[in-house]
Amino acid sequence: GAGVSQTPSNKVTEKGKYVELRCDPISGHTALYWYRQSLGQGPEFLIYFQGTGAADDSGLPNDRFFAVRPEGSVSTLKIQRTERGDSAVYLCASSLGEGKFFGPGTRLTVL
Amino acid sequence: QKEVEQNSGPLSVPEGAIASLNCTYSDRGSQSFFWYRQYSGKSPELIMSIYSNGDKEDGRFTAQLNKASQYVSLLIRDSQPSDSATYLCAVYRRGYSTLTFGKGTMLLVSP
Repeated sequence: GAGVSQTPSNKVTEKGKYVELRCDPISGHTALYWYRQSLGQGPEFLIYFQGTGAADDSGLPNDRFFAVRPEGSVSTLKIQRTERGDSAVYLCASSLGEGKFFGPGTRLTVL
Repeated sequence: QKEVEQNSGPLSVPEGAIASLNCTYSDRGSQSFFWYRQYSGKSPELIMSIYSNGDKEDGRFTAQLNKASQYVSLLIRDSQPSDSATYLCAVYRRGYSTLTFGKGTMLLVSP
């Protein structure tokens, strides 16, 4: 595809439920990043993949958050036992170098 | 002290004026600096990158970097209403694998 795509664009769930957010990076980009952005804040780093492996997961807030990239392209961010504080826009970005290209994001709302 | 600081604004300028957006960072080892533009409800879009002291120009945009003073700025000449957006400063810090973002400055250009 021409750019980074993310699905779903919006996700509303209830507290305690499990959600999966998907990211399809720009073809050929080996680096993939997940960020979270709350209203009025800049993007906050969650996890970085280089190929299939998580090179840096230091931004994941707790063990309810997990991400995979099994074939080195599409990535899935998984959130267990969602909490209201997880509500935010989850952004995926991919890159070949230092400049990152963001997808449109998934707006997650936890009721 | 936050790693990357920006005035949240809004910064209001009339159409045709020069808009000046500023950013300071705390880590002297920071190597690369980026400006992203984010329209309301959209994802960040990379508009400028700068790696060495001095000015870098691209069309109506000029990025300025002063590593000794630890600040980076973005000048937008001949501001247009379509420039109204939040501008995010991002820094690549030594030893980190990803970008650290400021909160962003909202720019409003009035016709």
